[in-house]
Amino acid sequence: EDQVTQSPEALRLQEGESSSLNCSYTVSGLRGLFWYRQDPGKGPEFLFTLYSAGEEKEKERLKATLTKKESFLHITAPKPEDSATYLCAVFLNEKLTFGTGTRLTIIP
Amino acid sequence: DARVTQTPRHKVTEMGQEVTMRCQPILGHNTVFWYRQTMMQGLELLAYFRNRAPLDDSGMPKDRFSAEMPDATLATLKIQPSEPRDSAVYFCASGRDREETQYFGPGTRLLVL
Repeated sequence: EDQVTQSPEALRLQEGESSSLNCSYTVSGLRGLFWYRQDPGKGPEFLFTLYSAGEEKEKERLKATLTKKESFLHITAPKPEDSATYLCAVFLNEKLTFGTGTRLTIIP
Repeated sequence: DARVTQTPRHKVTEMGQEVTMRCQPILGHNTVFWYRQTMMQGLELLAYFRNRAPLDDSGMPKDRFSAEMPDATLATLKIQPSEPRDSAVYFCASGRDREETQYFGPGTRLLVL
């Protein structure tokens, strides 16, 4: 069954403590894996799109990577302003389907 | 700085009342999507349009929900009659094509009492 799963559900890090968020997917014929950031009370904000295994994209302290089964969002030396919920999404049955997200909290 | 705009940002209404939410997509985008977000279900696609034509509304309860695009600059989502279980945040997103990046609006937070 096609699906997208994110882990962990929540992650608390000290400022400067690097870590990774995981997005696992099972879909035949990946047509893009999308990462979004969502702050409380706001709409999801686009971060990255990855299309093929081995692809990597970076933006400030974030780096997204893609394999044939999963994507990682690596956060290096995070700051409190990186606290947010991070969502990944893939196309399942012609619809962009979102995971349930990882709620990231960076403690000063 | 092109953005998707949504109105109203907040809406409190009583069960049985009609609710209309509006969305202005980013100029030049030809696809518009309506999503609903709840704590239990996360983000769910309700409907989407391409070049103002409805292509998929299978995620929408047909008996009470309707979505339209009267013109290229306006998309509407209507609930009639509203029910408490419709309480959620409703997002509009737009993009250049279905399989390309979607850009989200700030959402309409709906509470049905």
